[in-house]
Amino acid sequence: RKEVEQDPGPFNVPEGATVAFNCTYSNSASQSFFWYRQDCRKEPKLLMSVYSSGNEDGRFTAQLNRASQYISLLIRDSKLSDSATYLCAVNPPGGSYIPTFGRGTSLIVHP
Amino acid sequence: DVKVTQSSRYLVKRTGEKVFLECVQDMDHENMFWYRQDPGLGLRLIYFSYDVKMKEKGDIPEGYSVSREKKERFSLILESASTNQTSMYLCASSFRGTIEAFFGQGTRLTVV
Repeated sequence: RKEVEQDPGPFNVPEGATVAFNCTYSNSASQSFFWYRQDCRKEPKLLMSVYSSGNEDGRFTAQLNRASQYISLLIRDSKLSDSATYLCAVNPPGGSYIPTFGRGTSLIVHP
Repeated sequence: DVKVTQSSRYLVKRTGEKVFLECVQDMDHENMFWYRQDPGLGLRLIYFSYDVKMKEKGDIPEGYSVSREKKERFSLILESASTNQTSMYLCASSFRGTIEAFFGQGTRLTVV
C-alpha cells in the first residue's frame, strides 16, 4: 500500500458545484497534513494546513479523519479558476519532516 | 513571502553532459529538497538536506548527486545526463520540524 493515495480524477464539475477530494495515508502516527494546489506546468503552492479540528478558509474546508486515516478537501461554489491539481502532503513514518505527497487529484471546473 | 528560486525554467542538454540545477531560498530554512515530477508518477524525492553539508538520499537518488555548501543554496547534479532524466525538477525548502514546504518554480529539463 502506498503511503499517501489520492484518486487522480479528473473530477469534472460545473461552476457553482461543491466538490470533495480525499487523501488516505498509511502511517497512523502521521501528525502533519497539508493541501497544495498545482496549476498546469507550475510548481505546487501551499493551499492550507489540516488541523485535527478542521480548517476553513473561505470556500475551502480541510478535515482530518484519524480513525479512517484520511484527510479531505471540500470546495464550495466552484470557480473556473479552481481548475488545478490538488496534492496532499503527509509526514512519513519515523517522525521525519520530509513531505510525502500524493499523486494529486485533477479538478476541472467547466462553465 | 518565502522565495525559492531555481536557476532555469527550461533547460536542454545532451546525453552524457554534466548538468547543474541550482536552488536558492531566502527564508533561512534548514531543510531543502529536490523532487522530480513525471506524469502519472507524482513527486518523487531525489535528495534532501537538513543542514549545510548534510545530505540524505531520497527514493530515487541514482544518477544524481547534491551539494549544500551554504544554507540558502542546494544544488542538484546530474553526473552524466540520460534521456530518462528528462523531467520537471522541483526544489523545495522548509523549516526544521515542519513539512510546510515552499517550492521553486521548477526546471523543465530535456535531455536529447
